[in-house]
Amino acid sequence: EVQLVESGGGLVQSGGSLRLSCAASGFSFDSYEMNWVRQAPGKGLEWIAYINSNGNRIYYAASVKGRFTITRDNGKNSLYLQMKSLKAEDTGIYYCVRYLDPWGRGTLVTVSS
Amino acid sequence: QSVLTQPPSASGTPGQRVTISCSGSDSNIGKKDVRWFQQLPGTAPKLLIYRNSQRPSGVPDRFSGSKSGTSASLAISGLRSEDEADYYCATWDDSLSGVVFGGGTKVTVL
Repeated sequence: EVQLVESGGGLVQSGGSLRLSCAASGFSFDSYEMNWVRQAPGKGLEWIAYINSNGNRIYYAASVKGRFTITRDNGKNSLYLQMKSLKAEDTGIYYCVRYLDPWGRGTLVTVSS
Repeated sequence: QSVLTQPPSASGTPGQRVTISCSGSDSNIGKKDVRWFQQLPGTAPKLLIYRNSQRPSGVPDRFSGSKSGTSASLAISGLRSEDEADYYCATWDDSLSGVVFGGGTKVTVL
C-alpha cells in the first residue's frame, strides 16, 4: 500500500523557519516526481513545489520562491520542504503528494504574527 | 484568483446529475491532461479522474470526466448524499512551470 506520512508541522513565529518531512513507502520512491501542496484554512488547494525523480528539476510557486526549498533523499525514501521567512499567509495544511496521487494526510503549519 | 476557473458551488437532489466546469487556457488544459479530486470535510483530496476521463479503481462510474479544448468538466450522475464535498480540477501549466488548481466547487445534496 502506498503511504505518504508528513511530519514537522507546528506553531512558529512570523519570520521563523520550519522543515517538513514526508516518509514514503509502498512504491519505488526514486521513480516518481513529487509535489508539496498546501491548503489555507477554509481555502482551496495551492501547489507550492515540484521535484522530479532524481532531484535535478525543481519548480516553485511564485508565492514561496526564494523562501522555500524542496529536496529529496531517495536513499531514505523521503521528501523535504525547508521553509524560511515564514509569513502568516503560509499557515495551512501541507500535503506531500506523489505527483498528484496519492496524497498524505498533511501536516499543519501555523505562523503567528 | 485561480488559474483554472470553477464555479464556487453546485447542487442537486438525490439521483440528479450535476456537472462542474473547469476553464483554463492553451498553456494548461489546452495542452495537458486534467485530473479531478474530491475532498470530503477534514480529509485529504482523493483522485477521482485522471487523463481527463479515466477513473482509478474503486471510483464509482457515477463520476465521469471530459475535456474539450481549454475546458474540462466533471459529471456526477445519480447524486448521493455522500457526494457532498469539494471538487477540484488540476493540471500542469507550461507557462508557469507548475501545477495549477481550480478554486474548488462545493457540491451540496439538497
